[in-house]
Amino acid sequence: GAVVSQHPSWVICKSGTSVKIECRSLDFQATTMFWYRQFPKQSLMLMATSNEGSKATYEQGVEKDKFLINHASLTLSTLTVTSAHPEDSSFYICSARGGQGAYEQYFGPGTRLTVT
Amino acid sequence: LAKTTQPISMDSYEGQEVNITCSHNNIATNDYITWYQQFPSQGPRFIIQGYKTKVTNEVASLFIPADRKSSTLSLPRVSLSDTAVYYCLVLEGGGNKLTFGTGTQLKVEL
Repeated sequence: GAVVSQHPSWVICKSGTSVKIECRSLDFQATTMFWYRQFPKQSLMLMATSNEGSKATYEQGVEKDKFLINHASLTLSTLTVTSAHPEDSSFYICSARGGQGAYEQYFGPGTRLTVT
Repeated sequence: LAKTTQPISMDSYEGQEVNITCSHNNIATNDYITWYQQFPSQGPRFIIQGYKTKVTNEVASLFIPADRKSSTLSLPRVSLSDTAVYYCLVLEGGGNKLTFGTGTQLKVEL
């Protein structure tokens, strides 16, 4: 149980275009989902926290207009990288947490974004 | 935020027990200690979580002393496939944000 999926697993896009990444909790309802970014040889950096039905909370330094997060249901959150540039190339990972009392976070497999 | 400190890297050999210690001096009363494993180009995988004393599951044990200012992840009889980065995190009360530190790169050799 507690499986989180991401789609796509990798994507290549041209500079200036937008890319949407989906994160789904497959066998549980995720009240809270998180989006991380990881550059090569570095640790995960939390970008934003999203709760179902409400606006996402972004970490300091993360542009909310560039990284649009939507958590429309208890099983789906999306991250849209708008007007992508080569410096946005990174490994994007989502995680999901269940209902009250559930302290574990389950991570998706990640999405490799390459902007050319 | 409860910051964690752990060794940057460790080396071991197959069949040995590996202990990775993490310090979290300003852990709060409601915080839990959680360990994740990450392979290259994959999302982190939950290993174990604990609050105090000892927790054991099918893959690891977690030892937490009474003052909870540190914790030790114990991996029994490691194999080559255990080569990965191991992150120690403090899950703050309410189970919300996870702050990842540098992690420990464990390398297991024959």
